[in-house]
Amino acid sequence: AQSVTQLGSHVSVSEGALVLLRCNYSSSVPPYLFWYVQYPNQGLQLLLKYTTGATLVKGINGFEAEFKKSETSFHLTKPSAHMSDAAEYFCAVSLNTGNQFYFGTGTSLTVIP
Amino acid sequence: KAGVTQTPRYLIKTRGQQVTLSCSPISGHRSVSWYQQTPGQGLQFLFEYFSETQRNKGNFPGRFSGRQFSNSRSEMNVSTLELGDSALYLCASSPGVTGEETQYFGPGTRLLVL
Repeated sequence: AQSVTQLGSHVSVSEGALVLLRCNYSSSVPPYLFWYVQYPNQGLQLLLKYTTGATLVKGINGFEAEFKKSETSFHLTKPSAHMSDAAEYFCAVSLNTGNQFYFGTGTSLTVIP
Repeated sequence: KAGVTQTPRYLIKTRGQQVTLSCSPISGHRSVSWYQQTPGQGLQFLFEYFSETQRNKGNFPGRFSGRQFSNSRSEMNVSTLELGDSALYLCASSPGVTGEETQYFGPGTRLLVL
């Protein structure tokens, strides 16, 4: 069975500080990994994804994530937080069989001015 | 390309009623997935349709059903509504060929059951 764990349901950072949102997965086969962001009363928007190739993936709005197979992790980072980054962030995995996504429980990011 | 659209955006129903939600995928996408989002349970997968066939199904009771039309538009139906069905229902579309494809989400339908 596949599962996704996001450590920390709430994360607060100061504006300009490093953002680190954690995601660990369990999968019997190498998964595809995604980070989505959700702003209030909106759907999910793709930030970045890892499929194959380079393990450091760059996404929109200055976010990036690194796939570490040995640690089964796909943590999301941004060097300098902006007020507009305040949102809910979801990590998800997908397998090559079928089209089902498995989502983590989400991390709510608060940016303190 | 136009994004994924969902109608209606908001719904208020009472217990015991039934409801139908609609999702129009991005043009050319053949896969439509439905998710239920609640504060307590997070995002839970309901089912996925591909070329008018249900291809994957989550762990929800039979009161939750769906269908997909030949133009890939999809509907989700919930019968005999319960208070616990209050949630944001999201649909997502993708080409549906491999698991590495991005799922594109609509804005959701917020259902309140009284």
